Amino acid sequence: SAVISQKPSRDICQRGTSLTIQCQVDSQVTMMFWYRQQPGQSLTLIATANQGSEATYESGFVIDKFPISRPNLTFSTLTVSNMSPEDSSIYLCSVERASGGTDTQYFGPGTRLTVL
Amino acid sequence: QQQVKQSPQSLIVQKGGISIINCAYENTAFDYFPWYQQFPGKGPALLIAIRPDVSEKKEGRFTISFNKSAKQFSLHIMDSQPGDSATYFCAASRSGWNFGNEKLTFGTGTRLTIIP
Repeated sequence: SAVISQKPSRDICQRGTSLTIQCQVDSQVTMMFWYRQQPGQSLTLIATANQGSEATYESGFVIDKFPISRPNLTFSTLTVSNMSPEDSSIYLCSVERASGGTDTQYFGPGTRLTVL
Repeated sequence: QQQVKQSPQSLIVQKGGISIINCAYENTAFDYFPWYQQFPGKGPALLIAIRPDVSEKKEGRFTISFNKSAKQFSLHIMDSQPGDSATYFCAASRSGWNFGNEKLTFGTGTRLTIIP
């Protein structure tokens, strides 16, 4: 498994501001992922972050709105920029790690964001 | 081609009964099918996963049944307990070309409630 921590666990922010979410993993991983989960909904992949390269964004998500950093193999940040109430969601980071002969994704506890 | 359809949206089962959640996929390139369990305020946790070389995988009270020809897979929870009350997500991905699996495509989730 993987031990993943996220900071902050929750925040309430004003419209137009930005929030940076941190994700820390207990050991080195190649691939880290950022997801958004709106209340009562499924998980939507925002981007894939590999160390040493630019993040790869999914359709509907852009770097200007969700800049990502991946400075090393155990850490990543996601910034939600120029927030609006529609950005209110749970943001989750996940990592891929070998387990039982296959590669498995493990999720952090999430950051619950409310934008007023 | 990338969709994973999950049903039912919600499910209420008597304690001790069998909970069954179904998923269907379209992309025949998918070859990895995990199930995640998510409690309120927590990130999804991997429950059990299967690859299409077997038709069934059992871990304790949890069983995945896989039907490759029908492109369907299901989660069975035997002897369901109140502690199993959570949201369950199926997912699917295909093996990456250089490492790990490619991105997960998630189902829409099933809210399971086990009543005494």
